[in-house]
Amino acid sequence: GAGVSQTPSNKVTEKGKYVELRCDPISGHTALYWYRQSLGQGPEFLIYFQGTGAADDSGLPNDRFFAVRPEGSVSTLKIQRTERGDSAVYLCASSSRPGTDYNEQFFGPGTRLTVL
Amino acid sequence: DQQVKQNSPSLSVQEGRISILNCDYTNSMFDYFLWYKKYPAEGPTFLISISSIKDKNEDGRFTVFLNKSAKHLSLHIVPSQPGDSAVYFCAASANGNKLVFGAGTILRVKS
Repeated sequence: GAGVSQTPSNKVTEKGKYVELRCDPISGHTALYWYRQSLGQGPEFLIYFQGTGAADDSGLPNDRFFAVRPEGSVSTLKIQRTERGDSAVYLCASSSRPGTDYNEQFFGPGTRLTVL
Repeated sequence: DQQVKQNSPSLSVQEGRISILNCDYTNSMFDYFLWYKKYPAEGPTFLISISSIKDKNEDGRFTVFLNKSAKHLSLHIVPSQPGDSAVYFCAASANGNKLVFGAGTILRVKS
């Protein structure tokens, strides 16, 4: 497909479990971003990758959250010991012009995570 | 502290009329602003953007105005159509990377 894809679309887990969320960016986009959106709020930045490296992880809430992008394309967001407060929609976006004045980010449909 | 604020949670407009969505920001380092539209169960879709070197950008029915001195931007949709009904998010960037979003405004266009 031409757009950003995310799997799974929905994930229900129990408190304390480990989850992985996957993002496939638009082909050729060097920058990849993860955001989290809670009910009634706008997306909140988590982490940004330029190529394989995390260029800015200042939005990760704590050390239970970790993300990788080993080959500079697909990324996985990993959450350990999930808590009920982690329930949200996790959005991934990609961009071809990071760091410029015209850095439109293109979003995937999101993964809705529910922690019971 | 919310750096990007959309003070109107919702807006209702008659089809064919103008919709004006507003956004205020506090961080003077922001130099790039975007509007996204979001339907339920979908990700945000990019609509239009503006760099801080401009005060207006137009794309079809959508125009974004930027007032840097007031730290205010607005999105005008003319004419509004029922398919425009969605949640609209204002976003800002200081370094061309991470976006800071407002809480969104629900637009309802009545036919």
